[in-house]
Amino acid sequence: NAGVTQTPKFQVLKTGQSMTLQCAQDMNHNSMYWYRQDPGMGLRLIYYSASEGTTDKGEVPNGYNVSRLNKREFSLRLESAAPSQTSVYFCASSEARSGPTDTQYFGPGTRLTVL
Amino acid sequence: AQKITQTQPGMFVQEKEAVTLDCTYDTSDQSYGLFWYKQPSSGEMIFLIYQGSYDEQNATEGRYSLNFQKARKSANLVISASQLGDSAMYFCAMREGDTNAGKSTFGDGTTLTVKP
Repeated sequence: NAGVTQTPKFQVLKTGQSMTLQCAQDMNHNSMYWYRQDPGMGLRLIYYSASEGTTDKGEVPNGYNVSRLNKREFSLRLESAAPSQTSVYFCASSEARSGPTDTQYFGPGTRLTVL
Repeated sequence: AQKITQTQPGMFVQEKEAVTLDCTYDTSDQSYGLFWYKQPSSGEMIFLIYQGSYDEQNATEGRYSLNFQKARKSANLVISASQLGDSAMYFCAMREGDTNAGKSTFGDGTTLTVKP
């Protein structure tokens, strides 16, 4: 099992360019998440998908869109990249068991730089 | 107000000694979960340990244990017999409520350096 995979690993964009970050999981998890991690800080939730066909905003959704393509895949799109979106992006997934015991498992991250 | 507070930006410990990383949290929910993750310099996030708010005993996983003090709203991570490979950033996180796919809140992390 690969767990959670993300592509690309690194990306450099110019201001105004668009791109899509891909995420896939092979653990048959119901829920998937996108976080960003700025230097020296913890993770902040951008969007999440509780189950296939649903998406909801997290703490910092502005400037992003998401698509839950199927149960395995959850993509994050930057329509018009800005330097403030320079960050490391993590995708995560969880079983979505009822209650707070639902552990999230993370992908390796995508390091994005916007010039 | 921050929901997860990690007051130690950096910690040092001698190899083979124990170290405690602090985490305090704020919630009005009765049902919640507390998690610790390790992030080595390679960047991946590794799940270490979980404690539920209704768990009566402190969680343990190998050399990791969680010192859970509910009344004080603290969930400190204890690493026993530190190893050089424990040098990393450590994040405390909380998941609130009794709902599916609840949001998790992360602290800003503590950087642990293990000295030989």
